[in-house]
Amino acid sequence: EAAVTQSPRNKVAVTGGKVTLSCNQTNNHNNMYWYRQDTGHGLRLIHYSYGAGSTEKGDIPDGYKASRPSQENFSLILELATPSQTSVYFCASGARGPYEQYFGPGTRLTVL
Amino acid sequence: GDSVTQTEGPVTVSESESLIINCTYSATSIAYPNLFWYVRYPGEGLQLLLKVITAGQKGSSRGFEATYNKETTSFHLQKASVQESDSAVYYCALGVGGSALGRLHFGAGTQLIVIP
Repeated sequence: EAAVTQSPRNKVAVTGGKVTLSCNQTNNHNNMYWYRQDTGHGLRLIHYSYGAGSTEKGDIPDGYKASRPSQENFSLILELATPSQTSVYFCASGARGPYEQYFGPGTRLTVL
Repeated sequence: GDSVTQTEGPVTVSESESLIINCTYSATSIAYPNLFWYVRYPGEGLQLLLKVITAGQKGSSRGFEATYNKETTSFHLQKASVQESDSAVYYCALGVGGSALGRLHFGAGTQLIVIP
């Protein structure tokens, strides 16, 4: 069954540490997205990708990097984690164009 | 810019009562955006609830309905009789972009609490 999976599901990190969140999709979609979800803000776009090897900045990219090594995988990297990055992170995949996206279950990240 | 505004939650409704969650949008980058409602149940990711890509059309799923109204730039979510299992967070989203670029703009989400 086509799906978007994320790992880890929960992560506790220390301030200044490096965190990598991973996403895998079997939908064969070209586009992939990373969002964070905070109370009162809905989902905010961090980075996205049009295909393997491409990454683009979203609305709130500061403090985050992204990597798309293959069609299936898209990672979000926090080089120096800060408490303000404590949030729930969602990965999604979608076909080209303004169409629906399919979401993973989310990763709850706590930075102490 | 492109943006979505929806009913601020939480919204508390008794079981079997009717529900409306308001959603209005602003689309400056595209004349006819696609419109979506997503739902997030506790502990799960977002699921697509319904979508409408043609102005004037209505989408429906699981008893929920929403009509794409371009004149009022609205896409309100309605249900005639809610159930306890409908308790979740609902997000209205605006789909914009061309043939390659596709992105969604989300509202802040509306938490629905259904009291049995």
